[in-house]
Amino acid sequence: DTAVSQTPKYLVTQMGNDKSIKCEQNLGHDTMYWYKQDSKKFLKIMFSYNNKELIINETVPNRFSPKSPDKAHLNLHINSLELGDSAVYFCASSQGQGNSPLHFGNGTRLTVT
Amino acid sequence: KNEVEQSPQNLTAQEGEFITINCSYSVGISALHWLQQHPGGGIVSLFMLSSGKKKHGRLIATINIQEKHSSLHITASHPRDSAVYICAVPYNNNDMRFGAGTRLTVKP
Repeated sequence: DTAVSQTPKYLVTQMGNDKSIKCEQNLGHDTMYWYKQDSKKFLKIMFSYNNKELIINETVPNRFSPKSPDKAHLNLHINSLELGDSAVYFCASSQGQGNSPLHFGNGTRLTVT
Repeated sequence: KNEVEQSPQNLTAQEGEFITINCSYSVGISALHWLQQHPGGGIVSLFMLSSGKKKHGRLIATINIQEKHSSLHITASHPRDSAVYICAVPYNNNDMRFGAGTRLTVKP
C-alpha cells in the first residue's frame, strides 16, 4: 500500500483554468503538507495542515487553496492558473511537528501552457 | 543568504569513493532531515537527527548542534546512489526550510 499518494502524476492545462491535485495518506499522521519544487529543484513549503487546521501559509497567492475533508486527505485547488505555477507539487505527511520524519508523495508535475 | 546552505551543489564521483555532503544552517532546530530525490522525482526521507550520528547501511549522517552543521557520508558509493540530496531544517510550527540540494553523480 502506498503511504502517501497524490494524483494526478502529470497535469497539463492552459492558463486561466482551475485545477485540483489530490493527496491521501494512510499512515495515520496528523500533519499534512504541500510543497512546491521549482525548476531549480528548490523545495518551498506552501501549506501545512494539523488536525484540519491550517498551521502555516507561506506567501502563496490566494489562487491556491488547500482543502482537507478529513485528517487523511489534503487536496490542493488552484484557480486561474498562470504560467509561473508550472512546477512539481509534493504532498507530504508527518506525525507531529518538524521533529518527525516526513513521508512524501511521488509528486505532481504541473505544466501550464 | 539561504537559511540552509548545502555544499557542494554538484558532485561527481567514481564508484567506490567516499562521499561527503555538507549542510550548514542559521535557524534554531530540534532536528535536521536528510532527504534523497531520485532522478524519477520521488523524495525519500533518509535520516532525521538531533544529535550525534546515525547510520543506515552505507549512509552515515552526523550533526554538530553547536556549530549548526551536519554532514551526510556515503561509503563505497555506487551508481544507484546518484540522486539529489537535500537537507531540511524545521522552523517554527510545522514549517521547514530546505537547502538547495546536492546533485550527486556516481560513475561506474
